[in-house]
Amino acid sequence: SQQGEEDPQALSIQEGENATMNCSYKTSINNLQWYRQNSGRGLVHLILIRSNEREKHSGRLRVTLDTSKKSSSLLITASRAADTASYFCATRGETSGSRLTFGEGTQLTVNP
Amino acid sequence: DTEVTQTPKHLVMGMTNKKSLKCEQHMGHRAMYWYKQKAKKPPELMFVYSYEKLSINESVPSRFSPECPNSSLLNLHLHALQPEDSALYLCASSQVGGRGPTEAFFGQGTRLTVV
Repeated sequence: SQQGEEDPQALSIQEGENATMNCSYKTSINNLQWYRQNSGRGLVHLILIRSNEREKHSGRLRVTLDTSKKSSSLLITASRAADTASYFCATRGETSGSRLTFGEGTQLTVNP
Repeated sequence: DTEVTQTPKHLVMGMTNKKSLKCEQHMGHRAMYWYKQKAKKPPELMFVYSYEKLSINESVPSRFSPECPNSSLLNLHLHALQPEDSALYLCASSQVGGRGPTEAFFGQGTRLTVV
């Protein structure tokens, strides 16, 4: 079963704007990861945040993690048309071994 | 080499056919995964191999049979599939660290159509 829930399901913005996507999960985690998927293609790992971290940056990406609320957010700043894709959070549970469970995803459309 | 290579990219098969999907990585990763993804849905975990041993089977029907011949290769054997099995099948690999696996690297997937 999928443990991560994401909102919004779909997000449409203009180039240059910031995009924020949220992810909630149900069980204790070892780490939380964000992935991007262009239509019909494989997933690309974007960023990983461990359960003892609260915020992480990578280029135009900023990820936060609130383990007390079991939630994470992904912020993409200064968006570009090329950022158009589906974004998924994925969690590794503390006791789930190698299981990596994906949320429902957010479809981001960045209009030029 | 940070690639996971999946073949074939597309596959059309009849319900009585037997076919195999192949996946290869040369990153030294010791965990390998099969996921199934339907349109506009997240990937669903099917199988995990850790150190070439099957560690997770998410109650997948026996018409799907995984195989890990060595640390670089992962196969998914298909037999007597149903049209509802049509989907994008994704292979992934990751390291297995002291606190469990880290980020996964995905192949481009095999688009399977069962007719």
